[in-house]
Amino acid sequence: GAGVSQSPSNKVTEKGKDVELRCDPISGHTALYWYRQRLGQGLEFLIYFQGNSAPDKSGLPSDRFSAERTGESVSTLTIQRTQQEDSAVYLCASSKGGARDIQYFGAGTRLSVL
Amino acid sequence: AQSVTQPDIHITVSEGASLELRCNYSYGATPYLFWYVQSPGQGLQLLLKYFSGDTLVQGIKGFEAEFKRSQSSFNLRKPSVHWSDAAEYFCAVGAGGTSYGKLTFGQGTILTVHP
Repeated sequence: GAGVSQSPSNKVTEKGKDVELRCDPISGHTALYWYRQRLGQGLEFLIYFQGNSAPDKSGLPSDRFSAERTGESVSTLTIQRTQQEDSAVYLCASSKGGARDIQYFGAGTRLSVL
Repeated sequence: AQSVTQPDIHITVSEGASLELRCNYSYGATPYLFWYVQSPGQGLQLLLKYFSGDTLVQGIKGFEAEFKRSQSSFNLRKPSVHWSDAAEYFCAVGAGGTSYGKLTFGQGTILTVHP
């Protein structure tokens, strides 16, 4: 597609429920990143995928968070047993993969946990 | 570990005035530096980047930034602000030399523009 697409744009859920967030990267981009943006704060790195290499999961805040990506296509970020502190905007970015390659961001999914 | 500090949470300027947004970073080697802008409900858009070479870099929308190694700074400037520049601005550092572009972001500076 023309840009990074994320769905849903907004998600309201109840505490304890599981949620899945989807990211569709720019075609041909081998690298995909997930970030979390809490209200009034900068972006926190969550996880990184590059091709078929093992993902860098160093930013995932707890074992309730997981992400998958098949090849160089769509990625899903899953949050199990959501907590109120999970409320944030979750942003996905994709790039061609090198350290100098620009990351292009989606509009994000705003998650509200009640 | 790398870190980024944006000392100003909120800045207000008048339309037509000059603008400088501050960014200080901490990183042991030569960093890759970025400025992104985020309008409400939008994703982040890259304004400009620094990897190496000329320390004054030009970006889109009339923005520029200067890398000062001695001060560990990468401040963003614009000589004349337009109302459409109102947004949130993020400075980010990437670990140059690593195999991929994991970014560390500052907390952001919200820019308000008065007519």
